[in-house]
Amino acid sequence: EVQLVESGGGLVQPGRSLKLSCAASGFTFSNYYMAWVRQAPKKGLEWVATISTSGSRTYYPDSVKGRFTISRDNAKSSLYLQMNSLKSEDTATYYCARTVAISAFDYWGQGVMVTVSS
Amino acid sequence: DIVMTQTPSSQAVSAGEKVTMSCKSSQSLLYSENKKNYLAWYQQKPGQSPKLLISWASTRESGVPDRFIGSGSGTDFTLTISSVQAEDLAVYYCEQYYDTPFTFGSGTKLEIK
Repeated sequence: EVQLVESGGGLVQPGRSLKLSCAASGFTFSNYYMAWVRQAPKKGLEWVATISTSGSRTYYPDSVKGRFTISRDNAKSSLYLQMNSLKSEDTATYYCARTVAISAFDYWGQGVMVTVSS
Repeated sequence: DIVMTQTPSSQAVSAGEKVTMSCKSSQSLLYSENKKNYLAWYQQKPGQSPKLLISWASTRESGVPDRFIGSGSGTDFTLTISSVQAEDLAVYYCEQYYDTPFTFGSGTKLEIK
């Protein structure tokens, strides 16, 4: 059974940093692209980042480019999201998701809440 | 960026009825080399994570009931639920993965009368 379990969320002040983790199991992690998708409270879904199988290629929307860094450790079957210079508009539930190369997100974690507030 | 427009924003139907919801993209999602539409549909039930229902505009995921039908091509897409069940109460999102930034529609909230 595919499982994705996020951790590392919490309350953080504007301008500070936070690192999210996602532990994957139930599939060969190194064979899949992985991604982060977020959802602000009572809002829709927003793609945040995608990383290739080896980690050599990463993709971001302009809203987080230069502030967020996606990375992975295939030996640990883990995905990460380093978030710097956080803003109030980054407040959201962050989901870890699996994808086959550039395609739909076929499995999602339960999500982790990040609140950016002073 | 490709803008995804979903209509209606919400609708209420009775169990057993057929429901259709629309998703329109600001540019074609049909990739000419493989003739595939880079469009997915997700279901998000209250308090849950999104779940992939349909990819490539019309390919139902394993385990998804066959009452969920995806159709359309190019810029116009439709999700049909042939006979709505109470458990289909959810918000339905379309998403394009034709080009980055990947973008989602604002969702259609399905309510059961």
